[in-house]
Amino acid sequence: QVTLKESGPALVKPTQTLTLTCTFSGFSLGSTGMRVAWIRQPPGKALEWLARIDWDDDKFYSTSLKTRLTISRDTSKNQVVVTMTNMDPVDTATYYCARLREHSFGVLEFWGQGILVTVSS
Amino acid sequence: EILMTQSPATLSVSPGERATLSCRASQSVSGNLAWYQQKPGQAPRLLIYGAFTRATGVPARFSGSGSGTEFTLTISSLQSEDFAIYYCQQFNYWPSTFGGGTKVEIK
Repeated sequence: QVTLKESGPALVKPTQTLTLTCTFSGFSLGSTGMRVAWIRQPPGKALEWLARIDWDDDKFYSTSLKTRLTISRDTSKNQVVVTMTNMDPVDTATYYCARLREHSFGVLEFWGQGILVTVSS
Repeated sequence: EILMTQSPATLSVSPGERATLSCRASQSVSGNLAWYQQKPGQAPRLLIYGAFTRATGVPARFSGSGSGTEFTLTISSLQSEDFAIYYCQQFNYWPSTFGGGTKVEIK
């Protein structure tokens, strides 16, 4: 059974760096074809893909946010971490991690419950 | 980036009726399109991938069609649990992009 769960702060101040952790079970990110992504959703708005990390440690970032994002993994802990620098109130959103369908480049098959992050002073 | 446009923004349908949702890509994404369902307070749920393949456990009343730039999600007979927001997503190009969503509400 595949499960994912996001953790991190619920509130960050403007200009701070956000660090979110995705802890998963039921698969190994070291296995060929496995990929994990981060997606966010501002309140009442649509989904936005942030970053993806692959089984071979390849990393891909949103074009508009790539200067602010870093994605990494700890295979031994079954965790994927994303950091976003210089947070702004417009970054207030629910942040999801998701595992892609095996060998897929984009199909988000399993999702975490999400974590609401509010950016406010 | 590929722009995904969904229409209509809101669809009012009576239970038991058919719902047809549209998704248009700003350029061809081949068949690399997925549909997700999202209910309030929940994470999205994968419904369809590869434009027409139902994900595991998705009822047969959900069907997807289309290729290139025009795609359709059809719900043949709406059940109470189907009232939700539906998103399309292209993954032919990086970064993958989502449509703005169609809210299916009870008429």
